[in-house]
This record gives sequence, C-alpha cells and structure tokens, in this order.
Amino acid sequence: KAGVTQTPRYLIKTRGQQVTLSCSPISGHRSVSWYQQTPGQGLQFLFEYFSETQRNKGNFPGRFSGRQFSNSRSEMNVSTLELGDSALYLCASSPGLAGVYEQYFGPGTRLTVT
Amino acid sequence: AQRVTQPEKLLSVFKGAPVELKCNYSYSGSPELFWYVQYSRQRLQLLLRHISRESIKGFTADLNKGETSFHLKKPFAQEEDSAMYYCALSGPGNKLVFGAGTILRVKS
Repeated sequence: KAGVTQTPRYLIKTRGQQVTLSCSPISGHRSVSWYQQTPGQGLQFLFEYFSETQRNKGNFPGRFSGRQFSNSRSEMNVSTLELGDSALYLCASSPGLAGVYEQYFGPGTRLTVT
Repeated sequence: AQRVTQPEKLLSVFKGAPVELKCNYSYSGSPELFWYVQYSRQRLQLLLRHISRESIKGFTADLNKGETSFHLKKPFAQEEDSAMYYCALSGPGNKLVFGAGTILRVKS
C-alpha cells in the first residue's frame, strides 16, 4: 500500500497570507489527524477528521481549520499567517480513531513564514 | 485535562548501556499509552502500545498507574536506537496527546 502523502513538501509564505496543505491517507483509512511539530513545542495536535467530520480539536486559534473529503483526503488551512506558524505540519492516517489505532505519518510539509 | 510529560529533552548513553526514557502522564481515566519513534530522515512511526504488551526492537514499556508513568526501557542500547522518541496518551474522545519528545543518542 502506498503511504501517506502530503503536498507540498515545502512552502514559503509571507505574514498575513493564507495557506492550504493537503494530505492523502493510506487507502481504506478513514481518520486523518494533523499535527504541528516545532523544536520548542514538540508535536502538538491540531485536529482529527473521521468520515468527513471533525472528531477532535487541539488548542489552536480559529485561523487553523481543516476539512475532509468523501475520499478521506484532507486539507488544512491557515489564514492570516504569523511568524510563529513556521513549523513542520504532519498528517497521519489510521483505519479508525487516532487514539485507538496505530497512526501512519506522512513526511510533513515544512512551512516557513517570513 | 490530559497531559504527557517527558522530562528529558536529550538522553545520551553508551552502546550496550541500559536505556530508560521517562514518560509521565496526567489523566483521571484509564489511559491508552503509546511510544512513537522518529529515526533520522524517516517518518514518525509507532514503536509500541501498552495494550499489546509486546517487546519491539528490544524495547518494553510498563504502565504504572500508581506512579502514572509509562517509561520506555531497553537493557542494552544499540547505535541504531538513536532517534527522537515521543510518548502519547489517548484520553476522552480518543484524542491523542503527545509529549515534547526525548532525543536518544547512543554513543559508540
């Protein structure tokens, strides 16, 4: 099976802009979770989508949003970018809910905000 | 609220020495706990979960509810164990919360 893919792999944006990141889960997986990884904060949970519904949400401002499509592909959007949003954004998929099943991670999208 | 604490940012040991990566959690219910690992230039992947009680690559982890800990142990470290290790907890709504991670460096 093909692994989790994320596009784009690298992105440079300017403060105030918005960005959309994409994640394609492993075939058959219905749950997609998003994480922000930074050297200072480690791995922080953003949200989880299961069957097109947001099941869980982390402690991030409303500028961070996401959605999941009927084919389980997911997108994450960050509006009004801030310098502090620079991070590696990881997507993970699992057959069921993230807290129950093993999560399979993608390679990440490296976002740099200047 | 559920929380995972990994007190060491970096743990450096010599090859052949025992390894213990600490993980403490804060959660009032019955937790599901995991260890994830990220080797250099590889993706984050599941190492083990407490419910399976398996030993993976020589690593074990025991859930101690009294001390609210889930430390990861290996009796003899190998150079290929060098990686970033994350402890994770699944709580209400099966929301997965990760610790800040510990870098393990195994020196030859």
